[in-house]
Amino acid sequence: AQTVTQSQPEMSVQEAETVTLSCTYDTSESNYYLFWYKQPPSRQMILVIRQEAYKQQNATENRFSVNFQKAAKSFSLKISDSQLGDTAMYFCAFMRVWVTGGGNKLTFGTGTQLKVEL
Amino acid sequence: DSGVTQTPKHLITATGQRVTLRCSPRSGDLSVYWYQQSLDQGLQFLIQYYNGEERAKGNILERFSAQQFPDLHSELNLSSLELGDSALYFCASSSRTDTQYFGPGTRLTVL
Repeated sequence: AQTVTQSQPEMSVQEAETVTLSCTYDTSESNYYLFWYKQPPSRQMILVIRQEAYKQQNATENRFSVNFQKAAKSFSLKISDSQLGDTAMYFCAFMRVWVTGGGNKLTFGTGTQLKVEL
Repeated sequence: DSGVTQTPKHLITATGQRVTLRCSPRSGDLSVYWYQQSLDQGLQFLIQYYNGEERAKGNILERFSAQQFPDLHSELNLSSLELGDSALYFCASSSRTDTQYFGPGTRLTVL
C-alpha cells in the first residue's frame, strides 16, 4: 500500500515571499502520478499541479513549482510571490498508474495549513 | 468551477436514517470517484465507477453503496447513519488524463 506523509501541519509566510511545502511518499510502484491540491476556507478541493513519475523535468504552473526527487521519494511544492489568496490547506496526493484496468484512487497526505500574512 | 456538481450542499439528518448524495461529472468524463473527509480520518477514497461499472473500492462501509447511471451521474447512498458518518463527502471525475477534478462537496451532519 502507498503512504503519503506531510510532516508540516502548519506553516506561515509573508506576502510576496517564497515558501516550500514538503511531501514524502512510499511506494514500490514505478509508474505513478503525484499531485498537489489546495483546500481554501471554502473547502473546495482545487488542483494546483501534477507530476508524472516518468518525467524528469519538474512541473511548473505559474507561481507554483515542484521539486520531484524520485529516488528519495520526495515531492515538495514551492510557492513563489505568495499571495493572501494562497492561504489554504495543501494536500499532497499519490495515484498509481495501471497499464490496463485497475483503479485510480488518490492517496492523500494529512495536509499542511498554509497562512499567508501581510 | 471544476465542472463537477454535487447536491445537496448541506444535509442534516438523524442517526439511523438514510440519505442519497448526487454527483454529476464534468462533460465527457467517464470516471467518478467518491471521497470522505473527516477530522479523524482525513481524506479517504471510498469507491470509483467507470462508465457505469465499479472499478475500485476503498474502505467503504457496508452501510454505504454507490452506483453510476447511464447518463454518468452517480449517487452515494448512506444508510443506518451514525454520528461518526458526519463528514464532507466529495465527488470527483476524470477523463483519460486521470487528473481528478473535485466537486464542491456535500456536508453531512448526523445528529
